[in-house]
Amino acid sequence: EAAVTQSPRSKVAVTGGKVTLSCHQTNNHDYMYWYRQDTGHGLRLIHYSYVADSTEKGDIPDGYKASRPSQENFSLILELASLSQTAVYFCASKDRGSAETLYFGSGTRLTVL
Amino acid sequence: GEQVEQRPPHLSVREGDSAIIICTYTDSATAYFSWYKQEAGAGLQLLMSVLSNVDRKEEQGLTVLLNKKDKRLSLNLTAAHPGDSAVYFCAAPKTNYNVLYFGSGTKLTVEP
Repeated sequence: EAAVTQSPRSKVAVTGGKVTLSCHQTNNHDYMYWYRQDTGHGLRLIHYSYVADSTEKGDIPDGYKASRPSQENFSLILELASLSQTAVYFCASKDRGSAETLYFGSGTRLTVL
Repeated sequence: GEQVEQRPPHLSVREGDSAIIICTYTDSATAYFSWYKQEAGAGLQLLMSVLSNVDRKEEQGLTVLLNKKDKRLSLNLTAAHPGDSAVYFCAAPKTNYNVLYFGSGTKLTVEP
């Protein structure tokens, strides 16, 4: 069974602080993604990566950085957290050979105060 | 690139009734479409995918219809039960087939 693990499950951060969300997959997948979920907006892609040490911008990359130090790990970094970044964040992975199946983690609920 | 609009945002049905969720898309060259289900407090899980050359696909009480003329994709849960209560998303790949664009989601509630 494919496994994507996110940490922490929830976090409260202060405005202007640094936040790092972590994602680990044991699927041996090439692709990893960070999505943000807001009520009424569905999922929006922030960053993704198809190989270690390389990241690509998604649809809403502003205010976020991503890091892929290894095939298994993919982090999302908020250098200066803002109120508007309060959301649920999902990590996902996908095999290069599978066109449509993304495997999602359980999400991280981030609240910025 | 692809744009996907999903409706309704909320849907409430009685147990045993049908529930229909619709997505419209813009790119007629889209190769396939997918439906994902998100249960409370969990990530999304793939329900079903259909290739763009398929008009209808049925699996385990779910029916997906693809109307290419109207650029409309629908998910029909026949005889819904309370366990189907969740948020459902349609998805389509962007020009880069390794990136998915998701609809805004439909929260389905099935009442006993």
